[in-house]
Amino acid sequence: GENVEQHPSTLSVQEGDSAVIKCTYSDSASNYFPWYKQELGKGPQLIIDIRSNVGEKKDQRIAVTLNKTAKHFSLHITETQPEDSAVYFCAASPRNTGNQFYFGTGTSLTVIP
Amino acid sequence: GAVVSQHPSWVICKSGTSVKIECRSLDFQATTMFWYRQFPKQSLMLMATSNEGSKATYEQGVEKDKFLINHASLTLSTLTVTSAHPEDSSFYICSARGQANQPQHFGDGTRLSIL
Repeated sequence: GENVEQHPSTLSVQEGDSAVIKCTYSDSASNYFPWYKQELGKGPQLIIDIRSNVGEKKDQRIAVTLNKTAKHFSLHITETQPEDSAVYFCAASPRNTGNQFYFGTGTSLTVIP
Repeated sequence: GAVVSQHPSWVICKSGTSVKIECRSLDFQATTMFWYRQFPKQSLMLMATSNEGSKATYEQGVEKDKFLINHASLTLSTLTVTSAHPEDSSFYICSARGQANQPQHFGDGTRLSIL
């Protein structure tokens, strides 16, 4: 089955700096890669996603890149703000699993004011 | 759009009690709903996948008689933890999606504490 690894597990950045979170996956059949933000005591919220037919997607301060050959994808947050502090999860979804998601282990991001 | 409501958000009950958690898609029809369990500072563990009108598919190691899932309509799925014990205490989260290849949208979770 699919195996998703996520690094780093914790990340602290100064407000205004950029944050990068990286994930790798093992199943070449994965074709959909969402990123979720989870605040304390809440459910995960979708912040951006990318499909395997594109290499990069951007939405304001958030961008995701995908390297299918190397089987890794990354989340980039620019101009970080304190409200970006949360746990971020990547996920991979193989096309032959009924869109089941395989989640990474999460990254706790702290933005220091 | 794509709002998923989960209820209750928090429940405390005595050992041996059965607890029902509801998951509703408010503004879209959820063909498939997923139930996850999350331990503190850990990732989400998929428990089961349910398609409207069909029996749920449980992940390995998840007892189907312990965690009863019903997905009777396109907007509602329920998870019932039967005869709950302290080891069942956890954060349970549902998600829902419409058509295939669409993202999953999550509820805000239910914190279950069994005394």
